[in-house]
Amino acid sequence: AQKITQTQPGMFVQEKEAVTLDCTYDTSDQSYGLFWYKQPSSGEMIFLIYQGSYDEQNATEGRYSLNFQKARKSANLVISASQLGDSAMYFCAMRETLWAGNMLTFGGGTRLMVKP
Amino acid sequence: DTAVSQTPKYLVTQMGNDKSIKCEQNLGHDTMYWYKQDSKKFLKIMFSYNNKELIINETVPNRFSPKSPDKAHLNLHINSLELGDSAVYFCASSQAIGAGGRNEQFFGPGTRLTVL
Repeated sequence: AQKITQTQPGMFVQEKEAVTLDCTYDTSDQSYGLFWYKQPSSGEMIFLIYQGSYDEQNATEGRYSLNFQKARKSANLVISASQLGDSAMYFCAMRETLWAGNMLTFGGGTRLMVKP
Repeated sequence: DTAVSQTPKYLVTQMGNDKSIKCEQNLGHDTMYWYKQDSKKFLKIMFSYNNKELIINETVPNRFSPKSPDKAHLNLHINSLELGDSAVYFCASSQAIGAGGRNEQFFGPGTRLTVL
């Protein structure tokens, strides 16, 4: 079974509008972390935002926020006021129990395209 | 200053050859990783290396071996290269396992390996 599911292979958004990228996860662990990374066409992986499973408030980092719904096991990324430079692949990832080498399990990614 | 660097950036080789990819981090991190990104952009953990403890993803063929001469370096050796090994390989680093909190992973720029 997929541990991280990103159901939107590709999305378009108009510049300056907000967009939500979906991510659902599957784990039986109580303590876990959820991450979003951005991969522009240049190929590097850029950390965007983190949400811990025990964090009571949704994480925010500038124009990025994470809509964390623990009961639904979803951790959607919201990008406000989209910019052309936001066009990239976006990956949701999960880190489960700390003993498992701190490794990340990634979803399949969503390609976001921002239209001028 | 580059935080996580990899060499080479591109590697083209013949089937059956043995090759290495080097990774260095100057962040003072204790844990390093190797990930493989296939042609469909799917990212998969290969190894986690923390304080001389190696944790291996069980799906990784034993032709792949990480070698760490010191805490700042984790090189990837690949023996008897196969066509299916063609991918982008990312090195990453983070604070020690068990550091808790965000402890995000910082990625290198990737090495594109092409096996002919």
